[in-house]
Amino acid sequence: QVQLQESGPGLVRTSETLSLTCTVSGGSLSGYYWSWIRQPPGKGLEWIGYIYDSTSINYNPSLKSRLTISVDTSKNQFSLKVRSVTAADTAVYYCARATTVVAPVDYWGQGTLVTVSS
Amino acid sequence: DIVMTQSPDSLAVSLGERATINCKSSQSVVYSSSNRNYLAWYQQKPGQPPKLLIYWASTRESGVPDRFSGSGSGTDFILTISSLQAEDVAVYYCQQYYSTPYTFGQGTKLEIK
Repeated sequence: QVQLQESGPGLVRTSETLSLTCTVSGGSLSGYYWSWIRQPPGKGLEWIGYIYDSTSINYNPSLKSRLTISVDTSKNQFSLKVRSVTAADTAVYYCARATTVVAPVDYWGQGTLVTVSS
Repeated sequence: DIVMTQSPDSLAVSLGERATINCKSSQSVVYSSSNRNYLAWYQQKPGQPPKLLIYWASTRESGVPDRFSGSGSGTDFILTISSLQAEDVAVYYCQQYYSTPYTFGQGTKLEIK
């Protein structure tokens, strides 16, 4: 059974960089699309971007200039960095898996709340 | 971006009754070559991540009770719960995975009347 677990600071200062890692257990990163999705408190879901085998990365254009998604296959982890954060970046961040580029998310992490505050 | 719009925003249904949630996309999410609708439905309970219920607009995910069904094509889709159970109280989201950025509807909150 594949399991995903997000980790990272719960509080980030305004204008700094938000960094999260997703550790995947019970399966390999290879051959799947690994996404980050966020949900501001009490609001809906926003897809941030995905990475596939380090060779293909796709970012939401609304966030693209501030994003980096990367993968560390030796640790079975993938990561998210969001630069120059503001209060609008406060959200629960989920890591997630899809089987192909045109497939829904079939596995989700439990999510981690990141609060941006000065 | 494809905009997904759900209706209603909230819904109260009696136990055992039918619940219907609508989702409309701003452009078609069906690939003509496959005739598949790239549309999914998720259920999210408080404090939990979303759970995949339906994909390809009408295919039930393994383990999902058969009271959940999806229908529609092109730009208009429906999630139906045929006989509402107490454990179905949740927020439901539709999502298109036809093109990036993948987008979600705003959510429909389902409650017991």
